[in-house]
Amino acid sequence: AQSVTQPDIHITVSEGASLELRCNYSYGATPYLFWYVQSPGQGLQLLLKYFSGDTLVQGIKGFEAEFKRSQSSFNLRKPSVHWSDAAEYFCAVDSTSGTYKYIFGTGTRLKVLA
Amino acid sequence: DAGVTQSPTHLIKTRGQQVTLRCSPKSGHDTVSWYQQALGQGPQFIFQYYEEEERQRGNFPDRFSGHQFPNYSSELNVNALLLGDSALYLCASSPARFTDTQYFGPGTRLTVL
Repeated sequence: AQSVTQPDIHITVSEGASLELRCNYSYGATPYLFWYVQSPGQGLQLLLKYFSGDTLVQGIKGFEAEFKRSQSSFNLRKPSVHWSDAAEYFCAVDSTSGTYKYIFGTGTRLKVLA
Repeated sequence: DAGVTQSPTHLIKTRGQQVTLRCSPKSGHDTVSWYQQALGQGPQFIFQYYEEEERQRGNFPDRFSGHQFPNYSSELNVNALLLGDSALYLCASSPARFTDTQYFGPGTRLTVL
């Protein structure tokens, strides 16, 4: 069965430091992959997505993610974190590519220290 | 341009009751999906509506049902509420059934006592 694992429940970084959030998936074919961010009281906002092609994907707010097929990973990165990045981050896979029936990971809560 | 809106924001019900949640998609969007997000968990797909029909369904019991109206707005109905139904219910819309971006609303927080 398809699944998405985000091994880090909480991550704390200092403002200005780099960030990497991990995401691993289990899927039989090449999946569609997504990263979303959720701030308190807000809905989910799409940061970036990967369907095919270049394995390094650029998103909004200075985020990027790299798809590594050999590791079944799609890690999210940001070179310099801002205090406003504190939120919960969700990795998701389209359970049957092209149907947008997402399977989400359990999320990583990011805390940013001033 | 308003994004996805949901009502109500919060709702408190007791076990056994029925609840209806509402969603208005983003302008120009005709596909609506519903997700349940329990505390500390990622969202789980409930079902998707397109052309007023349920097109896809996740692993949820028949107590969960929905409807889509001609103006593309949607309702999620849950019957015979259980304590475990307490969650944030998210609605997402997209401009076509097979499109790459879903836009999420802020959600409805349902508490079942």
